[in-house]
Amino acid sequence: ETVMTQSPATLSVSPGERATLSCRASQSVSTNLAWYQQKPGQAPRLLIYGASIRATDIPARFSGSGSGTEFTLTISRLQSEDFAVYFCQQYSTWPPMYTFGQGTKVEIK
Amino acid sequence: QVQLQQWGAGLLKPSETLSLTCGVVAGSFGTNYWSWIRQPPGKGLEWLGEINHTGRTHYNPSLESRVTVSIDTSKNQLSLKLTSVTAADTAVYYCARLLYDRGYYSFDYWGQGTLVTVSS
Repeated sequence: ETVMTQSPATLSVSPGERATLSCRASQSVSTNLAWYQQKPGQAPRLLIYGASIRATDIPARFSGSGSGTEFTLTISRLQSEDFAVYFCQQYSTWPPMYTFGQGTKVEIK
Repeated sequence: QVQLQQWGAGLLKPSETLSLTCGVVAGSFGTNYWSWIRQPPGKGLEWLGEINHTGRTHYNPSLESRVTVSIDTSKNQLSLKLTSVTAADTAVYYCARLLYDRGYYSFDYWGQGTLVTVSS
């Protein structure tokens, strides 16, 4: 099973600043990597898939990069609604298996 | 716009069977896969299993002996059963649609989540 490790566990950022979140896979996942945002009491929301493709209606301030085992989610100019927990997720095609990172909490500094 | 609505028992005793249903309120099953994913309180997400419109299933190997996912296409519903539950199965359970786009898979629509608590 591919293990996903996110860092840091908590990121303190001021509104208007840039946030950079990391996700590392225990083995190569190519670009089979997605990012989600989750706010308290809500289901996760898809932000990025294919490592860098923004999902429908996701603002351009969210961007993803990386391939293989190292991935980054960047949020430029953080807005108040961006303070949340972010998860990365990889999938294996056969057998189908989806695993998530443990999450990074982005909090107000 | 696809909408998923979940329901099912929220409080179980150890050894009982968890049973949840997810209705596709807007839209249809199409050719997508539909998954169940859970999240213990304050923790990360764990994929449980998936099913498509033909009934083909795949499960997380760590839970495969206890998990069954089924569908009723006439009602646009999918269901989850998890047998022999313990306190470790306490979690918010989500149904979600698997998006396949440009060769990539991700979960684009989610149910509202159902908190299931296992306690004696």
